[in-house]
Amino acid sequence: EAQVTQNPRYLITVTGKKLTVTCSQNMNHEYMSWYRQDPGLGLRQIYYSMNVEVTDKGDVPEGYKVSRKEKRNFPLILESPSPNQTSLYFCASTQTGDPHQPQHFGDGTRLSIL
Amino acid sequence: AQKITQTQPGMFVQEKEAVTLDCTYDTSDQSYGLFWYKQPSSGEMIFLIYQGSYDEQNATEGRYSLNFQKARKSANLVISASQLGDSAMYFCAMREGLTGRRALTFGSGTRLQVQP
Repeated sequence: EAQVTQNPRYLITVTGKKLTVTCSQNMNHEYMSWYRQDPGLGLRQIYYSMNVEVTDKGDVPEGYKVSRKEKRNFPLILESPSPNQTSLYFCASTQTGDPHQPQHFGDGTRLSIL
Repeated sequence: AQKITQTQPGMFVQEKEAVTLDCTYDTSDQSYGLFWYKQPSSGEMIFLIYQGSYDEQNATEGRYSLNFQKARKSANLVISASQLGDSAMYFCAMREGLTGRRALTFGSGTRLQVQP
């Protein structure tokens, strides 16, 4: 089954404790992206990757890191999480950067930073 | 300026009736894609339907259709024969152009409640 898999689905942690949210897709997609969803602010792009070893900032990259060492994986790293990073996070992927292709989303990760 | 505008924060519809969710967009690109996503209370983001800027026909996917009026820059979602399981948040989104971040830009969403 074609899918984007995120882990964990839920995480409660404390300020400053490094964490990684994993994202994996099995569709051989080139383009991958991370979004965060916040009430009143909607979904905003954090980082994206056009292909392996090619990553770039989205709208709200501060406090996050990403890497794309393999085509299928695109982890999101919070090196020193803070409460303002409490949010619902989505990983998404598309075959390419073509605007006519829908992005397929993972099920989301609810992060709470205390 | 807002790139995607959804003016209906909430909508009610009776089961088995049709409902239209409004979406207008703003772009200067010639090549763009318009998408609708459904987000149930469980939180996942489900792709429903796509309309391309060059498409002359309105898109349809089962009970979902997209009323695309390019000159008005509108891309309204029509759900026919509403079901209780259609109760969710619905987001209109756009992906623009052939360069840049290729991010999806989302509207603020419409919460649809289907009543029995």
